[in-house]
Amino acid sequence: NAGVMQNPRHLVRRRGQEARLRCSPMKGHSHVYWYRQLPEEGLKFMVYLQKENIIDESGMPKERFSAEFPKEGPSILRIQQVVRGDSAAYFCASSPQVDYGYTFGSGTRLTVV
Amino acid sequence: AQKVTQAQTEISVVEKEDVTLDCVYETRDTTYYLFWYKQPPSGELVFLIRRNSFDEQNEISGRYSWNFQKSTSSFNFTITASQVVDSAVYFCALSEGDSGNTGKLIFGQGTTLQVKP
Repeated sequence: NAGVMQNPRHLVRRRGQEARLRCSPMKGHSHVYWYRQLPEEGLKFMVYLQKENIIDESGMPKERFSAEFPKEGPSILRIQQVVRGDSAAYFCASSPQVDYGYTFGSGTRLTVV
Repeated sequence: AQKVTQAQTEISVVEKEDVTLDCVYETRDTTYYLFWYKQPPSGELVFLIRRNSFDEQNEISGRYSWNFQKSTSSFNFTITASQVVDSAVYFCALSEGDSGNTGKLIFGQGTTLQVKP
């Protein structure tokens, strides 16, 4: 049973470009969470999704960031017009139900140059 | 407001020493869940334990043990006979479980553990 798959592992974007981060949850998991780990900071919640629905996006920056979890396919975290401050590790986690405990993916390390 | 505090930023020990990582949390919920995660130098996040607020039994898993005390709002993690492979950043996290809970985790800042040979 494959774990949570995130790709790419490393992503380099120039300022102003778009970044698309993908997350395939574990089989049978319908809850997906995205977290961001900025350099020298802890992990911060961004968004919680179930299939086709955003449940809690209280941690998402108001502009340039969006997330989706379509009926088919992986969850996508999209960052438009990236800036240097977006450079961070982005982790996706999945769970079969709320508060069951997460399995995290290996993360995507975004570098904006 | 919910909060998790890991006061120890960095700890350095010599192999085979015991080490305790502290975690103090704040929440108004009566139902909540506490977690520990390990982040080794390779960067992934490894789940270690989940504990709900109604279960104050201490837990032991091999060289790892956890001490949950609601009276002091603490959920400390002890590694016995530490090994070099235990070197990592350890995160304590809280999820609030009362109505409206979405399962999101509030993480502490992490404690960097270095185990020297």
